[in-house]
Amino acid sequence: AQSVTQLDSQVPVFEEAPVELRCNYSSSVSVYLFWYVQYPNQGLQLLLKYLSGSTLVKGINGFEAEFNKSQTSFHLRKPSVHISDTAEYFCAVSAYNTNAGKSTFGDGTTLTVKP
Amino acid sequence: DGGITQSPKYLFRKEGQNVTLSCEQNLNHDAMYWYRQDPGQGLRLIYYSQIVNDFQKGDIAEGYSVSREKKESFPLTVTSAQKNPTAFYLCASRGTGELFFGEGSRLTVL
Repeated sequence: AQSVTQLDSQVPVFEEAPVELRCNYSSSVSVYLFWYVQYPNQGLQLLLKYLSGSTLVKGINGFEAEFNKSQTSFHLRKPSVHISDTAEYFCAVSAYNTNAGKSTFGDGTTLTVKP
Repeated sequence: DGGITQSPKYLFRKEGQNVTLSCEQNLNHDAMYWYRQDPGQGLRLIYYSQIVNDFQKGDIAEGYSVSREKKESFPLTVTSAQKNPTAFYLCASRGTGELFFGEGSRLTVL
């Protein structure tokens, strides 16, 4: 079984400030890790993914995330946010080569960027 | 452009009616999924299909049905047995691990 915990339901931040959205997971098998972004009344878009290799992953729109196996975390960071980054962010895990590729999602973090 | 197309975007239903949500993909992906999203909650898996003519129940399949007669199509029917169908429904297909999502269908029961 897999589970994902996003530690903050809402994160308010001022424009041009750095931000970190926290994600912890649990799984009995190796997993792939993902961050998705959702704008109002739209589907989810992939921000970045960790499949293997380097634990620091860079994604679109200046976001990056670091996989920490010992702490079972995959926190999302951006050094300087813009108003347009205001959205819902979801962390997800998918079991490696098992479980029919089903993804388990966290409850989401609402990022609000204020001017 | 390649992607997932969901229709309709908005749908209103009277109690006791069945409705079908369409999901079409041109990404040549084998696996497809239906998720339900409620405010303040993550995505919950309704049904998934790994190959044509085969599908499995997800975590909240009661009151829903699906079919997978073609690789490109994975329609979801919300039946009258679903007690609380008002929600945002998302269809997805799987690439190399990650999911590709449609724009969603918002169903409201009047």
